[in-house]
Amino acid sequence: DGGITQSPKYLFRKEGQNVTLSCEQNLNHDAMYWYRQDPGQGLRLIYYSQIVNDFQKGDIAEGYSVSREKKESFPLTVTSAQKNPTAFYLCASSIRRGKGYGYTFGSGTRLTVV
Amino acid sequence: AQSVSQHNHHVILSEAASLELGCNYSYGGTVNLFWYVQYPGQHLQLLLKYFSGDPLVKGIKGFEAEFIKSKFSFNLRKPSVQWSDTAEYFCAVSYSGGGADGLTFGKGTHLIIQP
Repeated sequence: DGGITQSPKYLFRKEGQNVTLSCEQNLNHDAMYWYRQDPGQGLRLIYYSQIVNDFQKGDIAEGYSVSREKKESFPLTVTSAQKNPTAFYLCASSIRRGKGYGYTFGSGTRLTVV
Repeated sequence: AQSVSQHNHHVILSEAASLELGCNYSYGGTVNLFWYVQYPGQHLQLLLKYFSGDPLVKGIKGFEAEFIKSKFSFNLRKPSVQWSDTAEYFCAVSYSGGGADGLTFGKGTHLIIQP
């Protein structure tokens, strides 16, 4: 079945460490996105990529980095510069960039700083 | 910047009551509109979407939404809710043209249905 796979489901990070969240899709979608979900805040866009080897900052990109070396993969690194990284992270993909054809979401990674 | 406003953060209803969740967006141009639902412990699922055409959109599980362009609104409705509708509901907007990509979400409405 086609879909988006995020791993791990739960991730614990020590202060000062970088961690990388995985997102893989087998839907042949062009565009991929990372969102952060906090209680009472909804979902906020961190980074998005419309095509391989290209990505753009979203609304809250500070302290995060991404890469898009393959169409199927869009990993997110939460760096030590991110002041409040504890959150639920959602990856999504869509078949057409900017055309609103709908988005498919992964099941998320819950990151906790300990 | 685009913004999406959901009027109610928490709504508590009894089973069989009618539901209307408000959603307003700020962008004055052409938009695509979505409602997503997140059941406890599950990932986001699309309830319905509006791109063009009939402003009354029907989605899954008996939900519908009406796009009123003059009011920049896309309210979600259901005539008779069930206990299984307990979930978090998100309204979202995207451009249909160029510019920033991705979806802009409202802050969500936590709906609790009491049996």
